[in-house]
Amino acid sequence: EAQVTQNPRYLITVTGKKLTVTCSQNMNHEYMSWYRQDPGLGLRQIYYSMNVEVTDKGDVPEGYKVSRKEKRNFPLILESPSPNQTSLYFCASNQGNTDTQYFGPGTRLTVL
Amino acid sequence: GDSVTQMEGPVTLSEEAFLTINCTYTATGYPSLFWYVQYPGEGLQLLLKATKADDKGSNKGFEATYRKETTSFHLEKGSVQVSDSAVYFCALNRTNAGKSTFGDGTTLTVKP
Repeated sequence: EAQVTQNPRYLITVTGKKLTVTCSQNMNHEYMSWYRQDPGLGLRQIYYSMNVEVTDKGDVPEGYKVSRKEKRNFPLILESPSPNQTSLYFCASNQGNTDTQYFGPGTRLTVL
Repeated sequence: GDSVTQMEGPVTLSEEAFLTINCTYTATGYPSLFWYVQYPGEGLQLLLKATKADDKGSNKGFEATYRKETTSFHLEKGSVQVSDSAVYFCALNRTNAGKSTFGDGTTLTVKP
């Protein structure tokens, strides 16, 4: 089954404790992205990648890191999480800019 | 930069009513345009798309036409059902880039 998987689905952590949210896709897509969804603000793109070892900033990259060492994986790293990073995070993949994005189920992160 | 403006919600309709959700955009070049739907507790999924001017996307009774002259991509459905209750997002993908921009989302509730 074609899908995008994210782990963990739920995470509660404390300020400053490094964490990684994993994302994997099995569709051999070139493009992958991370988004955060906040009430009244829609989805905002954090980072995107157009190929292995190629990443670029989206609209809200501050406080986040990403890497794309393999085509299927695109982890999101929070080196020192803060409460304003409490949000619902989605990973997505697609084959190109005219192609549909396929979204993961989301990761709900709470930073205390 | 790119932007997507959606009609403010929430929108509440009776079953079988006509639906319009307005979407206008600002972008350089010739973006691809999308409508995504998010059901409660789930990730986003594609509803329809259009990749060039005057294209009409359609799916499940929903339609939207890519109007370059008015930079719009309004979503319409002739007769909504209770099962259409969800959050709807208008989005654009920039040409030849991984950059995506989403609107704030419009919550639709359909009452029996």
